[in-house]
Amino acid sequence: AQSVTQLDSQVPVFEEAPVELRCNYSSSVSVYLFWYVQYPNQGLQLLLKYLSGSTLVKGINGFEAEFNKSQTSFHLRKPSVHISDTAEYFCAVCEGSGGSNYKLTFGKGTLLTVNP
Amino acid sequence: GAVVSQHPSRVICKSGTSVKIECRSLDFQATTMFWYRQFPKQSLMLMATSNEGSKATYEQGVEKDKFLINHASLTLSTLTVTSAHPEDSSFYICSALGLAGGFDNEQFFGPGTRLTVL
Repeated sequence: AQSVTQLDSQVPVFEEAPVELRCNYSSSVSVYLFWYVQYPNQGLQLLLKYLSGSTLVKGINGFEAEFNKSQTSFHLRKPSVHISDTAEYFCAVCEGSGGSNYKLTFGKGTLLTVNP
Repeated sequence: GAVVSQHPSRVICKSGTSVKIECRSLDFQATTMFWYRQFPKQSLMLMATSNEGSKATYEQGVEKDKFLINHASLTLSTLTVTSAHPEDSSFYICSALGLAGGFDNEQFFGPGTRLTVL
């Protein structure tokens, strides 16, 4: 069974500082990897995804993530954060080839708080 | 494109009543939709997978008789919480799986429904 570990439940950071949100996964098969952002009382918005190909994935809002198969990690990074980046961030993994087997397993989330 | 809506966004009901939540894919067809439950400050837990025209597949520990799922069309899935109790209070989020038109392998999430059972 697959699982996702987000090592930090909360990450406080100052505006314009770089940030890294960590995500590790466990799976016995190939996976697809995702990062989602959730603002208060809202659904999830996809930041970026890794399906195959280049291990460095660029997403929206200046975020990027790097898939490291040997370390089973998919850490999210942004070189300079804004106040508006304050939100909950979820890492998710999917096993399978798609279709109705396409089930996501989420990490527990990391609350990113950007302070002025 | 790829917008998913949920209705209602917020509902308060008395214990013992049933509540229906709708999930619609507005600009694409979704043969598969998912229902998640999220407790405060926690992650999303998959409750069930809803396939158009067939019975939903429930995750272990989810009562299928309590959480009724119907996926009658390619754009609509409904979750009915029957005989709701205070412990059912939660944030319910649906997603729709895009399988074509550049949406491959991506779930699009609705804005969620906040259920409060008194």
